[in-house]
Amino acid sequence: DIVMTQSPDSLAVSLGERATIHCKSSQSILYSSNNKNYLAWYQQKPGQPPKLLIYWASTRESGVPDRFSGSGSGTDFTLTISSLQAEDVAVYYCQQYYSTLSFGQGTKLEIK
Amino acid sequence: QVQLVESGGGVVQPGRSLRLSCAASGFTFSNYAMHWVRQAPGKGLEWLALISYDGSNKYYADSMKGRFTISRDNSKNTLYLQINSLTIEDTAVYYCARVGASSWSWAWLDPWGQGTLVTVSS
Repeated sequence: DIVMTQSPDSLAVSLGERATIHCKSSQSILYSSNNKNYLAWYQQKPGQPPKLLIYWASTRESGVPDRFSGSGSGTDFTLTISSLQAEDVAVYYCQQYYSTLSFGQGTKLEIK
Repeated sequence: QVQLVESGGGVVQPGRSLRLSCAASGFTFSNYAMHWVRQAPGKGLEWLALISYDGSNKYYADSMKGRFTISRDNSKNTLYLQINSLTIEDTAVYYCARVGASSWSWAWLDPWGQGTLVTVSS
């Protein structure tokens, strides 16, 4: 099974500043035949289901603000929020779909 | 619009069984694989099971094999999850989710339902 590990577990960032969340997979999730990384990012606010932000590691879902971006390849990935807004307070999860599905443990993002 | 609505949760005694349902609307249900994911109170997301678009293939998380059964009725646009021999550790919000692309079974999940809470307690 592929284990996904996020860091940090929690993060406090000032409004307007950059927030960076890391996700590491226990094995490469880059599929060589199509050169795609099988990774998605989700945002979950209290009392709500997860909301898809990014898939294929860097493709932003329609309607997601462009301050959200994903990067990385192989085993190391990053979700970046370029200028933190109050509505971005949430827990963020990475998820691999290379081999069944598995999620990171989540990163709680708060305002400093 | 695309919508998933779970039902069937509630308070249940340890050792009992429960069947959760997920009613789909706003898309061609029979074209998409579907998943169940759960979230224990204050915890992270745990993938449970996948069923292919036509129900011919089913996959389960290793820790769920034997007690969980995923199924679907494409004529009713409904997904199901049967859970047997419930334990305290099964207390969670159970989400159904559609796979993000109709040509894939293993992919990102979008959208998700609002979830149904299962509380296992004596």
